[in-house]
Amino acid sequence: GEDVEQSLFLSVREGDSSVINCTYTDSSSTYLYWYKQEPGAGLQLLTYIFSNMDMKQDQRLTVLLNKKDKHLSLRIADTQTGDSAIYFCAEKLGGYNKLIFGAGTRLAVHP
Amino acid sequence: NAGVTQTPKFQVLKTGQSMTLQCAQDMNHNSMYWYRQDPGMGLRLIYYSASEGTTDKGEVPNGYNVSRLNKREFSLRLESAAPSQTSVYFCASSLDRVNQPQHFGDGTRLSIL
Repeated sequence: GEDVEQSLFLSVREGDSSVINCTYTDSSSTYLYWYKQEPGAGLQLLTYIFSNMDMKQDQRLTVLLNKKDKHLSLRIADTQTGDSAIYFCAEKLGGYNKLIFGAGTRLAVHP
Repeated sequence: NAGVTQTPKFQVLKTGQSMTLQCAQDMNHNSMYWYRQDPGMGLRLIYYSASEGTTDKGEVPNGYNVSRLNKREFSLRLESAAPSQTSVYFCASSLDRVNQPQHFGDGTRLSIL
């Protein structure tokens, strides 16, 4: 089956690290994505990882993939107020032209 | 750097009215998509177009039609709007259908009374 699960809410203090978690069910996923959505805006691609990779780092963002457990995480170092948004995890299934999205994790950054 | 442009940004319709949502991209992408986003849910694919001249149903196509007018433009039509179609609609595009990320427009907020 196709299902992507995320926790709905995360609150962190400014300057701390944020870790947003995601689990997926389809082992044929080829790519996994993290998108950011700010209020009233569309989805902005943050980063993505190919399914044969374990980790990808891009400046303050670190993506970890545990393919055995079908678990994906996004770590944001030194979280800032501008990081407050909804973060969506999505998987692309092999051979299919569609993304399966999680419901999104709302990240709130407080002083 | 316009990317993916959607019009209109907001619309209110009465039940039974028809409406076409417009989407255009200037990135020379082959594939285009229409999603809907409802509270507490992820995006769900309505229709997609893998290339100019082709369209295919996604997860929730009922009540919608699409037209891939040319490589740049992909429109979504509601022939007879229903309150259940109140949602935020996103258009996206990607270079090809296999391994390129999708880029999204800012959305159209549609309310049906």
